[in-house]
Amino acid sequence: DAGITQSPRYKITETGRQVTLMCHQTWSHSYMFWYRQDLGHGLRLIYYSAAADITDKGEVPDGYVVSRSKTENFPLTLESATRSQTSVYFCASLLAGGGEQFFGPGTRLTVL
Amino acid sequence: RKEVEQDPGPFNVPEGATVAFNCTYSNSASQSFFWYRQDCRKEPKLLMSVYSSGNEDGRFTAQLNRASQYISLLIRDSKLSDSATYLCVVPPSGTSYGKLTFGQGTILTVHP
Repeated sequence: DAGITQSPRYKITETGRQVTLMCHQTWSHSYMFWYRQDLGHGLRLIYYSAAADITDKGEVPDGYVVSRSKTENFPLTLESATRSQTSVYFCASLLAGGGEQFFGPGTRLTVL
Repeated sequence: RKEVEQDPGPFNVPEGATVAFNCTYSNSASQSFFWYRQDCRKEPKLLMSVYSSGNEDGRFTAQLNRASQYISLLIRDSKLSDSATYLCVVPPSGTSYGKLTFGQGTILTVHP
């Protein structure tokens, strides 16, 4: 299907476990982003990528790792999950040159 | 001063009312701005872009005041379906893509 998808949509894990959230887009957009959304903080940028093999930190990168070996995929890994990483995670993409960021449906992550 | 600040809300208005939200920003070099809409437990979606003094789309009007560094969103003839959270979004340093900064959002509830 065309668009931007995220998987899983819901995930429950335990403290200390490694978790990978997947993001896939079919538009060949150059830019991709990972945000987390928490009550009282709004949307905060974790990492972003301007192209394959180019990534950079956002506002809250600690505890997260990203990679982008292919333009269409941008996985986010929590190396050792903590309770403070319980959140809703949104992936987004953007065609180079500006304009609208398109968001995926989100992954709701709970760390017990 | 926060990079982006929005009216705290929530706003509760009857159908047919006119309602306005304000958003202030700190980066005077910003050239373009966005309003996104987010329905409960869904992803944000672009509502309007603002590149000059303002923009109008049907019942929605966005205005920009560069001197006072704020943008506003006016909704006329409110509908029940307008109930959502409205996010003010400011790109960094004049670019219209990349590391966007999101406001915390203003919750609007339109009641019969």
